[in-house]
Amino acid sequence: QKEVEQDPGPLSVPEGAIVSLNCTYSNSAFQYFMWYRQYSRKGPELLMYTYSSGNKEDGRFTAQVDKSSKYISLFIRDSQPSDSATYLCAMSYNNAGNMLTFGGGTRLMVKP
Amino acid sequence: DTAVSQTPKYLVTQMGNDKSIKCEQNLGHDTMYWYKQDSKKFLKIMFSYNNKELIINETVPNRFSPKSPDKAHLNLHINSLELGDSAVYFCASSQASGGRYNEQFFGPGTRLTVL
Repeated sequence: QKEVEQDPGPLSVPEGAIVSLNCTYSNSAFQYFMWYRQYSRKGPELLMYTYSSGNKEDGRFTAQVDKSSKYISLFIRDSQPSDSATYLCAMSYNNAGNMLTFGGGTRLMVKP
Repeated sequence: DTAVSQTPKYLVTQMGNDKSIKCEQNLGHDTMYWYKQDSKKFLKIMFSYNNKELIINETVPNRFSPKSPDKAHLNLHINSLELGDSAVYFCASSQASGGRYNEQFFGPGTRLTVL
């Protein structure tokens, strides 16, 4: 069993929909939780990071962490075709961030 | 003005060959990484270098040897290539920022195919 689990999708939604992407993890030592976006044939880019439990909002994106359930989510409001990408969750033990554990990614397709 | 660049972008080679992938970052970062992304999209760290010194070496076969000639470069040499080495290899870099999370910046990847 992988340390970080993520549904690979693909998840197909119409433009304007609210998207919910999720990861579960098994190691309670993780303290920092990240969401990366990866377009096809490109490297991942950091969308958001959250420390410990709680919510964080950035524009149309909201990240939620529930450490008691070992469950993290990324919500995308008013989804756009340009949001079509693979979304990878990642976690680390500290803010040095040099030991990231990634989920396998969820492929999202937003149809116009 | 590419931040993290890798060459080559694509690499097709025969089993048993030796090949190198080069990485350069112009962000002034002091830490660089190599990741392997398999066909199922799992990104797994292979190595991390800080100021030219190896700080992370995951369970990677010793056919893989990273080399950091200076802070801005981290190359990956692979000996005796095997079919299972086919993957996308990503280089990344980060900089310690005194308490804030140290974001890793990724290169565009090198798609290695071993025939």
